[in-house]
Amino acid sequence: GQQVMQIPQYQHVQEGEDFTTYCNSSTTLSNIQWYKQRPGGHPVFLIQLVKSGEVKKQKRLTFQFGEAKKNSSLHITATQTTDVGTYFCAGLRAGSARQLTFGSGTQLTVLP
Amino acid sequence: DAGVIQSPRHEVTEMGQEVTLRCKPISGHNSLFWYRQTMMRGLELLIYFNNNVPIDDSGMPEDRFSAKMPNASFSTLKIQPSEPRDSAVYFCASRAGTSGSSYNEQFFGPGTRLTVL
Repeated sequence: GQQVMQIPQYQHVQEGEDFTTYCNSSTTLSNIQWYKQRPGGHPVFLIQLVKSGEVKKQKRLTFQFGEAKKNSSLHITATQTTDVGTYFCAGLRAGSARQLTFGSGTQLTVLP
Repeated sequence: DAGVIQSPRHEVTEMGQEVTLRCKPISGHNSLFWYRQTMMRGLELLIYFNNNVPIDDSGMPEDRFSAKMPNASFSTLKIQPSEPRDSAVYFCASRAGTSGSSYNEQFFGPGTRLTVL
């Protein structure tokens, strides 16, 4: 079955430092979504990427979808304490209209 | 819009007891998902429904777990009998229908934190 791997599992950064999490799929994806889960909260949708090589930005967050549509990344510039949480990628397998497969998540801690 | 509603928010029960988790999806959404989240296994999809029909239940751990969606506005996840290893946060999520090449986002409920002693 489809597997979606995320690295790193944990990341501690000093406030103001940059942060990147990487997502890799064993199969080609049609779409990839990113979610953020604050401590004690529930996953909240951030963004969706559909096109090969697509890059989207949300303020300090930059999302990329690989050319082969098998990997993606989320980069946060100048982290703030409000960025704390777990970031999940979720991929939809190409040719499938079924459900998303969530990655294992990257737990980000931002030290003030 | 109230979002996805789950109840109870917290449940503490003893091993062997029946547990029923409830979910009300966002009105108009036609897909509903049940997830389980633990530190060890992360976020796992248990089952999902499309237009009230179970489409994929391959994630349901074993026969002790069952899920129903009697109508578009209500779903239950039942564990009978419960075991300590079932302790986790259970999320319900709903999604509007797909459109073209896009796949609409999932909206998660606040979750039910289940503890089985």
